[in-house]
Amino acid sequence: NAGVTQTPKFRILKIGQSMTLQCTQDMNHNYMYWYRQDPGMGLKLIYYSVGAGITDKGEVPNGYNVSRSTTEDFPLRLELAAPSQTSVYFCASRPTLGLFQETQYFGPGTRLLVL
Amino acid sequence: DAKTTQPTSMDCAEGRAANLPCNHSTISGNEYVYWYRQIHSQGPQYIIHGLKNNETNEMASLIITEDRKSSTLILPHATLRDTAVYYCIVRGSNYKLTFGKGTLLTVNP
Repeated sequence: NAGVTQTPKFRILKIGQSMTLQCTQDMNHNYMYWYRQDPGMGLKLIYYSVGAGITDKGEVPNGYNVSRSTTEDFPLRLELAAPSQTSVYFCASRPTLGLFQETQYFGPGTRLLVL
Repeated sequence: DAKTTQPTSMDCAEGRAANLPCNHSTISGNEYVYWYRQIHSQGPQYIIHGLKNNETNEMASLIITEDRKSSTLILPHATLRDTAVYYCIVRGSNYKLTFGKGTLLTVNP
């Protein structure tokens, strides 16, 4: 299994541009999450999904949108990039059932710089 | 979810045990204690979790006090690759994790 994969690894955006951060998992996990991490800080939840077609807001959803059309994919969309969105973005997933159903598996992250 | 308090940073000598404390005095009966770590520039990695009993796996041991108000993560033989930020998270019935700032553990040669 590849686990959780994210693309791109790094991106520079100009203010006002839009982009989609991709996240894919091959573990058949129903739950998926998007976090952002600013320098020296812990992770903050942006959006999450409990299954295909179901998404909900986390702590810091403003400026972002998500969709979940398949179990595997959970893309994060930035419509009008702002400098405040400069951060490292992590995608995670977790299984619904089983011994480690509470354990989240994280991707390698996407570094985004908005200038 | 209950709030946790961890020291900002700790040092440990290579080969020695690293003991990372966490206070969670407002923990309720059904809340688990989770530990994750984040090596520089990587995504967080699950280490261990527990409810009441002490737990051990191939990575670490988790000691939870009898009143469950605090816990200690033990890395029995720390290596340089264990240098990371360690997060203690208390999680209730929902399916979200709340990450604080964690403890930066530096393992020194």
